[in-house]
Amino acid sequence: AQSVTQLGSHVSVSEGALVLLRCNYSSSVPPYLFWYVQYPNQGLQLLLKYTSAATLVKGINGFEAEFKKSETSFHLTKPSAHMSDAAEYFCAVSDRGSSNTGKLIFGQGTTLQVKP
Amino acid sequence: DTEVTQTPKHLVMGMTNKKSLKCEQHMGHRAMYWYKQKAKKPPELMFVYSYEKLSINESVPSRFSPECPNSSLLNLHLHALQPEDSALYLCASSQEGTGTGYTFGSGTRLTVV
Repeated sequence: AQSVTQLGSHVSVSEGALVLLRCNYSSSVPPYLFWYVQYPNQGLQLLLKYTSAATLVKGINGFEAEFKKSETSFHLTKPSAHMSDAAEYFCAVSDRGSSNTGKLIFGQGTTLQVKP
Repeated sequence: DTEVTQTPKHLVMGMTNKKSLKCEQHMGHRAMYWYKQKAKKPPELMFVYSYEKLSINESVPSRFSPECPNSSLLNLHLHALQPEDSALYLCASSQEGTGTGYTFGSGTRLTVV
């Protein structure tokens, strides 16, 4: 069964500092991987996705993630945090089977706090 | 049009009421989803519609009844809910099977009193 684990339910960084949010996946087949961001009382917005093209994926708002098969990881990074990055971040995995309905499995989420 | 629109944004209902949540997309996506999200938790899948047919029901209580009238619309009919059903209900759509990810609506904040 597929699953994702997000290490750290809460991450706090200073404005301008590096953001690193960790995600490890478990999948028996090459997965699709996604990062979503959720601001308070809003839906989820897709930041970026990995679908087996380039292993380094660039997303919106300056975020990027690197797919590392050997480490089963898909960590999210941003070189310099901005106050507006404070939000909840979810890593998600989807299978690629022939019966794929695009069902997403979410991690537990990481709250990013950005301090001035 | 790259949006999923959900109405209403907020809903307060009594345990004996009947209400409906609505979701609409015009991106030509053929898979649509209902998720339930409690505070500080990830979304939990409730239902999946694929080509307007119910393909997944994640053992959701019968007081929640989904409906897909056409390829652009998805409803969630609510009846005899419990206070623990209070949550953010999210609708999403996707191009099934292509790994493009979901497009989510902004959700309906439901409070059951």
